[in-house]
Amino acid sequence: LAKTTQPISMDSYEGQEVNITCSHNNIATNDYITWYQQFPSQGPRFIIQGYKTKVTNEVASLFIPADRKSSTLSLPRVSLSDTAVYYCLVGDGAGNNRKLIWGLGTSLAVNP
Amino acid sequence: EPEVTQTPSHQVTQMGQEVILRCVPISNHLYFYWYRQILGQKVEFLVSFYNNEISEKSEIFDDQFSVERPDGSNFTLKIRSTKLEDSAMYFCASSLRDGNQPQHFGDGTRLSIL
Repeated sequence: LAKTTQPISMDSYEGQEVNITCSHNNIATNDYITWYQQFPSQGPRFIIQGYKTKVTNEVASLFIPADRKSSTLSLPRVSLSDTAVYYCLVGDGAGNNRKLIWGLGTSLAVNP
Repeated sequence: EPEVTQTPSHQVTQMGQEVILRCVPISNHLYFYWYRQILGQKVEFLVSFYNNEISEKSEIFDDQFSVERPDGSNFTLKIRSTKLEDSAMYFCASSLRDGNQPQHFGDGTRLSIL
């Protein structure tokens, strides 16, 4: 199972762009990269998923280099409500997200 | 936007008692999951369920645990003879298909064992 590594914590200010990088050196060919957000006492919320290059939705962008050994979640113009824990996950090596392995995530603090 | 709902939001139970946690997955989803998160720790996979069968389970999911889809909408996790260390947040999730499909989570049930 591919392991992911992310910074434990990050600090930012309102209005700034925040980039959180995750490394997954052993990602398998069939695996996608998925990011979740979690607020205290709530379930993880799906943010974005990608396989290669760049994916953008209304919430974030995901940048994946050609070797796919890392990915960067980009949050444009963060607000206080973006303070949360962000998790980067990859699949189980067989192209399944069935048994997601979670790390400790990145605790993002957005300051006024 | 459709969502996964879990009940109760908080369950307090005496050690040794049985507890059933309930989930209503998103209606057209076919794959269902249970996770737990002990306070301050990682989210841990417990079990996945498809077509009325367990498709995968972790080492945490021992004989104390069972899952069931008793009807077309509910998905339950039963914990028999609860222990103090079962105290955690339990999250239900569902996905439309298998493979690289995003899982959608409920807001969890906080289980407190006394």
